[in-house]
Amino acid sequence: EVQLVQSGAEVKKPGESLRISCKGSGYSFTSYWITWVRQMPGKGLEWLGRIDPSDSYTSYSPSFQGHVTMSADKSISTAYLQWSSLKASDTAMYYCARQTPNLENALDVWGQGTTVTVSS
Amino acid sequence: QSVLTQPPSASGTPGQRVTISCSGSSSNIGTNYVFWYHQLPGTAPKLLIYRNNQRPSGVPDRFSASKSGTSASLAISGLRSEDEADYYCAAWDDSLSGLYVFGTGTKVTVL
Repeated sequence: EVQLVQSGAEVKKPGESLRISCKGSGYSFTSYWITWVRQMPGKGLEWLGRIDPSDSYTSYSPSFQGHVTMSADKSISTAYLQWSSLKASDTAMYYCARQTPNLENALDVWGQGTTVTVSS
Repeated sequence: QSVLTQPPSASGTPGQRVTISCSGSSSNIGTNYVFWYHQLPGTAPKLLIYRNNQRPSGVPDRFSASKSGTSASLAISGLRSEDEADYYCAAWDDSLSGLYVFGTGTKVTVL
């Protein structure tokens, strides 16, 4: 079964760092880009950016460039999203999703989401 | 950040047909494929439509979509209670260095 499994919920304080993960299985991890999507409480979907796990090339949304960092470890089929200094406004659900070239780069497989809560 | 505009809500009774619109611009819908996702309460989004009007395996043919110019639409026919969810259109945007943009989202309620 093709799936993306994300790390568990996190509760952090403003200014702290955080890294969440997204592990792929059931497919060739390096053949598909991984996209990260944010959903703030009660709000819609926002694209943060994407990473090519084969070479760790990244493309960020201008809205998130410089505030988050995407990385990947292809040896363990895992992508990461990290923050060096969290803000309260980072409180949200974060999803990873697989981008599939033969479906015109649609996001066809999604992780279950990781809830990040930033509060003092 | 949303550059694709959708109506905030739509509703219908079981068996009815509901249509959701998605308005964009020449740099996104006007040039690139449109995708549709739905999100059931408390769950991750799921792909409904790719390449403007194609359904992935497993998506019922009650869901159909079209695109014209800088707008797109999703239709749900034979509405069922399990269709109550949030629906999002999406497209790649050429004006923003390959940014993927989502619509504002439409909440579909089955009355």
